[in-house]
Amino acid sequence: DGGITQSPKYLFRKEGQNVTLSCEQNLNHDAMYWYRQDPGQGLRLIYYSQIVNDFQKGDIAEGYSVSREKKESFPLTVTSAQKNPTAFYLCASGPGQKNQPQHFGDGTRLSIL
Amino acid sequence: GENVEQHPSTLSVQEGDSAVIKCTYSDSASNYFPWYKQELGKGPQLIIDIRSNVGEKKDQRIAVTLNKTAKHFSLHITETQPEDSAVYFCAASRVVHRSGTYKYIFGTGTRLKVLA
Repeated sequence: DGGITQSPKYLFRKEGQNVTLSCEQNLNHDAMYWYRQDPGQGLRLIYYSQIVNDFQKGDIAEGYSVSREKKESFPLTVTSAQKNPTAFYLCASGPGQKNQPQHFGDGTRLSIL
Repeated sequence: GENVEQHPSTLSVQEGDSAVIKCTYSDSASNYFPWYKQELGKGPQLIIDIRSNVGEKKDQRIAVTLNKTAKHFSLHITETQPEDSAVYFCAASRVVHRSGTYKYIFGTGTRLKVLA
């Protein structure tokens, strides 16, 4: 089935550690996005990418990094510089150049040990 | 800056009654308005969307209305069922990237509870 796969579902980070969240899509979408979701808040954009080897900062990019080496993959690294990383992280993809809906994965919940 | 306000934050209705969730957006360049349903531990799923050249769209028990002048759009669910219980998000989108990438601004969500 076509869709977006995020892994792992749960992730724990120690102090000073970088962790990487995986996002893979087989929808042949050009654009991919990372959002952070906190209780009582909407989805906030961390990074987005329109094409391979190109990505842009969203509204809350500090403490995060991404790469887009393949069209299907858009991993997110939560660095030690992100002081409040505990959240639910959602990856999405979309056709990009058309005003079409984004499709979401089922998220990764990151917690601090 | 860009903003989408969503009300109410929580909504309880009796099974069979209607539910209405309202959103207001600030960016007049927004031209696409999707609604998502999110169940616990899952990612948001698109349930209906509307484009700026349309005032209303309906899909079975779900309808969305758009007032571009007032920058309001609303989700209407009729004949609610317990399985409609979830968090609902509205969003407004517009082009932000030189290559045409669309950026969504999401509302803060409405937790709908349908009481049996």
